[in-house]
Amino acid sequence: QVQLQESGPGLVKPSQTLSLTCTVSGGSVSSGGYYWSWIRQHPGKGLEWIGYIFHSESTYYNPSLRSRVTMSVDTSKNQFSLKLSSVTAADTAVYYCAREVAVAGTLLIDSWGQGTLVTVSS
Amino acid sequence: SYELTQPPSVSVSPGQTASITCSGDKLGDKYACWYQLKPGQSPVLVIYQDTKRPSGIPERFSGSNSGNTATLTISGTQALDEADYYCQAWDSSAGDVFGTGTKVTVL
Repeated sequence: QVQLQESGPGLVKPSQTLSLTCTVSGGSVSSGGYYWSWIRQHPGKGLEWIGYIFHSESTYYNPSLRSRVTMSVDTSKNQFSLKLSSVTAADTAVYYCAREVAVAGTLLIDSWGQGTLVTVSS
Repeated sequence: SYELTQPPSVSVSPGQTASITCSGDKLGDKYACWYQLKPGQSPVLVIYQDTKRPSGIPERFSGSNSGNTATLTISGTQALDEADYYCQAWDSSAGDVFGTGTKVTVL
């Protein structure tokens, strides 16, 4: 059973870059057929998909966030990461890392991290 | 962009049936998933590929998808089913798209 755990600062200043890491256990980020995702939930709001990385270097980002998002994989540490630049208070949210799998031509999320709250404030 | 719309809330009495809709343009041409989210917990996949239940999900959860609407049905609703539910579909232009979410209250 794969497990995912987010880590990173819980407080980020406006205009700075939010950086989070997801450590994967019970599975490998190098495994084919999986997409490693970041998803967030603003306080009291719904889920928002940020993007995913697959094949260790291919990425697909939410068009609304594309200009500020960078994702990467560190296979030596079995981790994947998110960087979100130029943050504002609107980026305050619980951030989840997740694993997606392709099934019948679509993607579904079969594993989630616990989520980590990131607050953007000076 | 692609959007999925859900009713903000659904109320149901214990033992009764709760139905949650998810509407999107030609959603029936895509596969829909449903996730259950309880406070302080990670989301749980309850339905995928429109109608399939992952291992460990009770039979009272079922799904359908046709036209512009996907539906999650909870039969014989229990108090522990009280949660937020989100539909999700994958769109070739927008990527993963989540619905607006529905709060299910078991009265």
